[in-house]
This record gives sequence, structure tokens and C-alpha cells, in this order.
Amino acid sequence: GNSVTQMEGPVTLSEEAFLTINCTYTATGYPSLFWYVQYPGEGLQLLLKATKADDKGSNKGFEATYRKETTSFHLEKGSVQVSDSAVYFCALSEGSGGYQKVTFGTGTKLQVIP
Amino acid sequence: SQTIHQWPATLVQPVGSPLSLECTVEGTSNPNLYWYRQAAGRGLQLLFYSVGIGQISSEVPQNLSASRPQDRQFILSSKKLLLSDSGFYLCAWKVTDYSPLHFGNGTRLTVT
Repeated sequence: GNSVTQMEGPVTLSEEAFLTINCTYTATGYPSLFWYVQYPGEGLQLLLKATKADDKGSNKGFEATYRKETTSFHLEKGSVQVSDSAVYFCALSEGSGGYQKVTFGTGTKLQVIP
Repeated sequence: SQTIHQWPATLVQPVGSPLSLECTVEGTSNPNLYWYRQAAGRGLQLLFYSVGIGQISSEVPQNLSASRPQDRQFILSSKKLLLSDSGFYLCAWKVTDYSPLHFGNGTRLTVT
């Protein structure tokens, strides 16, 4: 079956530091890949997505590139802010004929300190 | 535009009491609908999904059930809550192969 593996957290960074959160996946076909962000007490919000190999998703300074050869979708940001503190989830979506199965990683908590 | 409504936002219930959480989606037709649970400090666990009215699939057997009485309404229920049912419940919808999941704001359930 499909699976998503994320790096263990929590990740603690100083403001303006470079961020990388690793994500690798296994899938039987050609999934779409997503990063979601969850702020305390809230639901998940889509951060960025990529639907095919070599696509780069980007939003709010975050980027991730769909690497089929390494089955990876690592999240990066050049300079984090305190407001980026949240839990980040990597996910893949695959399916056809109606049901879209979405598989999530376990989430990585990011804490940015001033 | 599409919106998703989930209520209540918080709920405290005694063990053995019933549960009903409701989720409605506006602005789209025939979405896939999902219920997830997030235990404290843990990832997302898919509980139920639905591809159409009256069509419910369960991913994890437990004392919860789901129903979809209308195209854009998804209900999570229990006849008797357990302590282990405590958690953060999230409803979500999706339409196409390439579209993301859209989540509600969640319900924080505490079973005492």
C-alpha cells in the first residue's frame, strides 16, 4: 500500500534560519503530492502541491519539488519566521474511478524562536 | 466558492453517551467526503470516507459510524463513547485526482 514517511520532530530553528523537512513516499502509481500546515487548534490548510514529476510547488516562501527518482517531496524555506511555527504534514493522493485515497505522514512540528 | 462547515468546535461528553458530529460542504457537487481523527501529538487517522450518498467505507473498525444522508452532508456518530474516542476530529472533502483535501476547522472531543 501507499505510505508517507516524514522526519521526526520537533524541529526548533532560530528566526531567519533555513528549513528543510524531509518527506519520502511509496506509491503504486503516479500520485499527487501535497504539503499541509496545521496551526494550533485549527484544521489543516493546503500549503503547496505538485501533481507530476519535476513539478515544483511553492507558496508563502515554501517550496517542494516532486522527485520521482528519489520518491521525495522535501519542504524547504530559505528564511523562517516565528509565524511559521506549526505542524507540517506531507501527503499523497492516488486513485481513480471515484475514490481518492489520501495518505498522510505523521507530521513534523516546527518551532521558530526569535 | 467552496466552503466546509464543521460543528461543534468543542465538545465534552461523558463515557457511554452518544455522539453526533456534522459536516456540510457548500459550493461543490458530489465530493468525496472524509472523517479523520487526530489524537494528541499524533498524525491523522482516516476513519471513514464516502464517494456518494449512502456510500460509506470504514478504514478502522471501532465504535464509530458515519452516514451521508445528502450529497454534501457527512455525519459521524457513536451510540456509546469510550475514553479512547477523545481527539480532534476533522472533516474534509475532495473532488478530482489532482485536487487537495479541504479541511474543516475540526471538533475537539473530550470524553470524561
